[in-house]
Amino acid sequence: DTGVSQDPRHKITKRGQNVTFRCDPISEHNRLYWYRQTLGQGPEFLTYFQNEAQLEKSRLLSDRFSAERPKGSFSTLEIQRTEQGDSAMYLCASSNGGWVKTQYFGPGTRLLVL
Amino acid sequence: AQRVTQPEKLLSVFKGAPVELKCNYSYSGSPELFWYVQYSRQRLQLLLRHISRESIKGFTADLNKGETSFHLKKPFAQEEDSAMYYCALSDSFNDYKLSFGAGTTVTVRA
Repeated sequence: DTGVSQDPRHKITKRGQNVTFRCDPISEHNRLYWYRQTLGQGPEFLTYFQNEAQLEKSRLLSDRFSAERPKGSFSTLEIQRTEQGDSAMYLCASSNGGWVKTQYFGPGTRLLVL
Repeated sequence: AQRVTQPEKLLSVFKGAPVELKCNYSYSGSPELFWYVQYSRQRLQLLLRHISRESIKGFTADLNKGETSFHLKKPFAQEEDSAMYYCALSDSFNDYKLSFGAGTTVTVRA
């Protein structure tokens, strides 16, 4: 297992288009997280799944954003009608449910909305 | 609301000199504090967490609840310590959400 993977690594799109990102967590990790990171800032929490259940969504996640984890394994993050302000690095992380819940991060998907 | 402040955006030290990265937090609950590091062209990874009370790569950090601080220290910086460092906080009970500071870029010069 090579860790958390994300696809694509880079995405350039035009304003108004829809984009979808995929995250594959470390196998047997039941927790999955999405964060967004803009230039000069630390990652900001977006949403969290425990198995297939989405348990919390940040206020940052507007109605244009939707995340799923249909079988409790990989997850997708979709942004509809992209805006220039959506340009950022989107990070995925996973962890197990044990006592030491270290979050392991993926390499991120860098989105540029033109 | 939980907030993490890293007052230094950039920190430059000479090899062999001590380095200290400041982190202050505000949170009314029971916090759990972390330091994450991102080396050039690598992904974000956990460096250490306060409950482990470990020294990782020569780094230590002490949680000071009175001063609401979790500063990261290393007595003798090495060139391979050059990286971006993020302080992060989560609630001990609702531990799924990390709140990160803005990060400090550390450059260790030969």
